Formats: sequence, structure tokens, C-alpha cells
Amino acid sequence: DAGVTQSPTHLIKTRGQQVTLRCSPKSGHDTVSWYQQALGQGPQFIFQYYEEEERQRGNFPDRFSGHQFPNYSSELNVNALLLGDSALYLCASSRPTRVAKNIQYFGAGTRLSVL
Amino acid sequence: QQQVKQSPQSLIVQKGGISIINCAYENTAFDYFPWYQQFPGKGPALLIAIRPDVSEKKEGRFTISFNKSAKQFSLHIMDSQPGDSATYFCAASKSGGSNYKLTFGKGTLLTVNP
Repeated sequence: DAGVTQSPTHLIKTRGQQVTLRCSPKSGHDTVSWYQQALGQGPQFIFQYYEEEERQRGNFPDRFSGHQFPNYSSELNVNALLLGDSALYLCASSRPTRVAKNIQYFGAGTRLSVL
Repeated sequence: QQQVKQSPQSLIVQKGGISIINCAYENTAFDYFPWYQQFPGKGPALLIAIRPDVSEKKEGRFTISFNKSAKQFSLHIMDSQPGDSATYFCAASKSGGSNYKLTFGKGTLLTVNP
């Protein structure tokens, strides 16, 4: 059973560029959340997708957008990259049930470096 | 506003010792408290979690203690091993409505010396 997979593993971009990160959830999971983890910090919630719609959003600017596909996979897009966007971007999947509402499983992340 | 405060920032323990990491939260609506373990170059892995209807949960060498009145919870790692050396994050979330996002602490870097 494959876990949460993310691609690419590493990415180098320059300021002003745009980037797309991809995530495939764990088998059986229908909800995908994205987090940004700066060096030495805990993950910060960006947004969550369920049934192809953004269900909840953290305190991130509109430059950060996402999409969920019918097969539950998801993309994170960041426009007009800033140096401060350099971070590890984590995807987490879950299948909220009455008992296991909040259990989220993380992928290994995409390391984005903005030069 | 940091809703989950974690301490210490780093911790060094001898093999066989007990590692203790503490977290405090502010939002009384939080009702799910997981701990994640993260190794360098990897994503966080769920270690153990607790809900506020119990005061303690134990899984192998890992125990969560929960104090609802103090709004604090802690992770205890018994018989700490060098392989436990990693960064540990506490987190919290509330399950009302669609609020399933996790709010993380800043992490504790644990080093277990052989």
C-alpha cells in the first residue's frame, strides 16, 4: 500500500517564477492538506481540499493556490515566487471518519529553493 | 499568535534514559492532540495521539500525558535509544465542522547519545 507520494523531491526556482507541486494521497484517502515547513520550524497549514474544493485555508496569500482532481490527487501552485517561499512543502492525506476525523499522513515533501 | 507552544527546543538524553517533551495549547476547542516524529529529509510520521477524554495513552515506549485543566500535554519516551534521535512535533486540531487542520508546535530536536 503506497503512502503519500509527492513530486518532485527537490526544486530550484528564481524569484518571480511560478511552481507546481504534486501529491498523490494514500490509498483510500479523499482529503488532501498542504503545509509549508520553513527550516527549523513546525509545518504551517496552507489549505485543504475535499471533493475537489478548497475547504479550509490558512494565513497564506492568494499567490498560493491549489487543485484537487477526481482521483483525489492534488497540486499546489505558487506564483510570483519570493525568497521567503523557500521551504519544505508537505502534503498530508486523510479520510475523515467519525472515529478518525483528524488523522493525517504526510509525504516526504518537496524541498523548494528560491534564488 | 502561536496556539501551540512546545518546549524544550532541543534535548540531549543518554541511551536508556527518559525523554520528556512538553506542549501547551490555548484554544479550548482543540480535541485531538497528535505527536509526530520527523527524521532529516523525511516527512513527519504520526507517532501517537490522544483525545481529551483520557489523561494518558501508552504505546510501547511512548506515552502521552494530558492535563485538560492546564491545557498541557507531554510526550514521554522511555528507554530512549539512539534511533529515537529526531525532531518531534506536537500538534492540535479541532474536529467540529470541517476544521481538521493541524496546528503544530515549533519542534524539539532530540539527540540520544549511545
